[in-house]
Amino acid sequence: DSGVTQTPKHLITATGQRVTLRCSPRSGDLSVYWYQQSLDQGLQFLIQYYNGEERAKGNILERFSAQQFPDLHSELNLSSLELGDSALYFCASSVDWGYEQYFGPGTRLTVT
Amino acid sequence: AQTVTQSQPEMSVQEAETVTLSCTYDTSENNYYLFWYKQPPSRQMILVIRQEAYKQQNATENRFSVNFQKAAKSFSLKISDSQLGDTAMYFCAFLGGSQGNLIFGKGTKLSVKP
Repeated sequence: DSGVTQTPKHLITATGQRVTLRCSPRSGDLSVYWYQQSLDQGLQFLIQYYNGEERAKGNILERFSAQQFPDLHSELNLSSLELGDSALYFCASSVDWGYEQYFGPGTRLTVT
Repeated sequence: AQTVTQSQPEMSVQEAETVTLSCTYDTSENNYYLFWYKQPPSRQMILVIRQEAYKQQNATENRFSVNFQKAAKSFSLKISDSQLGDTAMYFCAFLGGSQGNLIFGKGTKLSVKP
């Protein structure tokens, strides 16, 4: 158990819908990262937050957004879902840059 | 831009034997970190080992060790006394530059056979 929690574990929804994925980092970790793992794209970085502020953006679509709350949990919002958004979405946390990133169990999103 | 290459899509090893997984990377950074992550069939991403680029000594964690060749930009993972539970996808990852995100290779699928 990495100490990072993600909910829900599985999500099945239809195209065009909106979903919210939730992540709670390890106790003491200020940085939260979101990654997408799909068969064709591999593991791709989406976005990073540090202590409530957005720090870095990767290959995140405009239909996707995220935030980190004062209690440091983070949410990833995916809207206008397409079939290609089906993937495993991971949240990871770390103390800060250069430190190990510990991953949550992931949320498997299936868009039908 | 940094890139990470794992040239072995699949490998297999007999239980109790030793196997080495290869990883090369490309960067112009001098300060960076390298990691190996394991992803078993459960899909959980598990940190295996971490190497700081400024350290010449290779990292070791129990049966797992790395061969870090900074000049060659090579970072291989050696698994000794392979166990059935080592069966997993193994990802090499790079962390460096101004961003804090990991850059992953495409992974090596390792099968440990009894």
